[in-house]
Amino acid sequence: SAVISQKPSRDICQRGTSLTIQCQVDSQVTMMFWYRQQPGQSLTLIATANQGSEATYESGFVIDKFPISRPNLTFSTLTVSNMSPEDSSIYLCSVEEDRVGEQYFGPGTRLTVT
Amino acid sequence: AQSVTQLGSHVSVSEGALVLLRCNYSSSVPPYLFWYVQYPNQGLQLLLKYTTGATLVKGINGFEAEFKKSETSFHLTKPSAHMSDAAEYFCAVYTGTASKLTFGTGTRLQVTL
Repeated sequence: SAVISQKPSRDICQRGTSLTIQCQVDSQVTMMFWYRQQPGQSLTLIATANQGSEATYESGFVIDKFPISRPNLTFSTLTVSNMSPEDSSIYLCSVEEDRVGEQYFGPGTRLTVT
Repeated sequence: AQSVTQLGSHVSVSEGALVLLRCNYSSSVPPYLFWYVQYPNQGLQLLLKYTTGATLVKGINGFEAEFKKSETSFHLTKPSAHMSDAAEYFCAVYTGTASKLTFGTGTRLQVTL
């Protein structure tokens, strides 16, 4: 199974600034996903990031707010732009290898916006 | 559309007692069903999954779940709870129609002595 790391593990940011979260996988994967987990809540899919194509965003999430890069098959970044306190969440990346729905998750980035 | 409902946001059991975490799904097409576990300050880890075939599926750490189509349920059980089972458990559904995982709201399992 894939091993995923994320940087930073946590950060405290001021409103109006941006933060870029990195996701590194130890093997080449096609499908990568970014999720948001708000305090005490479930995971919400932000977007699907496949190498060589534009990210596909879910309803309620837009590229201007959450730009995503996927330069190769082992790396992706998610930027949270113009942050507000409502963006305080855990952001998780995941990958899907051979079996649909079977995803491997990174440890998450805990973001607090003040 | 697909959705998942987990009854009980918090469940507390004594060590050695039966664990039962409930999950019901809604899907217009045959679903794939999953249980994921999240330990404190960690990402999610796959516990078990149902795709096709045998409706009783076994996962890691002694957990199992049974797919009941007539009840649209996929409840997670473990005969004897251990302190190390304390975590957040998420049920999830996947269909080819949506082509994505949809998670339930999670159930926090507490295990007491």
